[in-house]
Amino acid sequence: SQELEQSPQSLIVQEGKNLTINCTSSKTLYGLYWYKQKYGEGLIFLMMLQKGGEEKSHEKITAKLDEKKQQSSLHITASQPSHAGTYLCGADDIQGAQKLVFGQGTRLTINP
Amino acid sequence: GAGVSQSPSNKVTEKGKDVELRCDPISGHTALYWYRQSLGQGLEFLIYFQGNSAPDKSGLPSDRFSAERTGGSVSTLTIQRTQQEDSAVYLCASSLVPGMYEQYFGPGTRLTVT
Repeated sequence: SQELEQSPQSLIVQEGKNLTINCTSSKTLYGLYWYKQKYGEGLIFLMMLQKGGEEKSHEKITAKLDEKKQQSSLHITASQPSHAGTYLCGADDIQGAQKLVFGQGTRLTINP
Repeated sequence: GAGVSQSPSNKVTEKGKDVELRCDPISGHTALYWYRQSLGQGLEFLIYFQGNSAPDKSGLPSDRFSAERTGGSVSTLTIQRTQQEDSAVYLCASSLVPGMYEQYFGPGTRLTVT
């Protein structure tokens, strides 16, 4: 089955700085999803990537899926306090599967 | 409603009691998923519904766990004879078409077994 490893596990950055979170798999990623979770709340969908080399942006957040479809990165530009939370990557377990497996999450703290 | 809703938001129960957790998916979403999130295990899949049938129950941890979905909408997750290790946040998600579209998550039910 698919296993996802996220790095770093936690990240503290100063407001205004850029940051990158990585999600790596040992197997081909058929669908890669990025979610954000605030403590005590559900997951908020950010972006979905399916094609090798695909890149999507929303406001100051950009996600990429590498050509080999085994690694994805989430980049935040000019971080703000509202970006704080835990970021999780999820992927289809196998091609055409209907369940997601998730990484352990990256806890992001933004210092003013 | 606009999003996935779950009830109750918090549930405290005594060990050995049965509990029912409810999920209302986004209207029109055919697929519904249950996940469990705990400190030691991260976010793990429990069961998936396509319509009212459950093609994949592979994540249910034991036969104390069961789930059903009626009318292609509301789903309930039932845990019988709860144990302390069942304490976790139970998250429900729905998607328009399984395997093709993103899953939208509810706020979760925090279950504490004392």
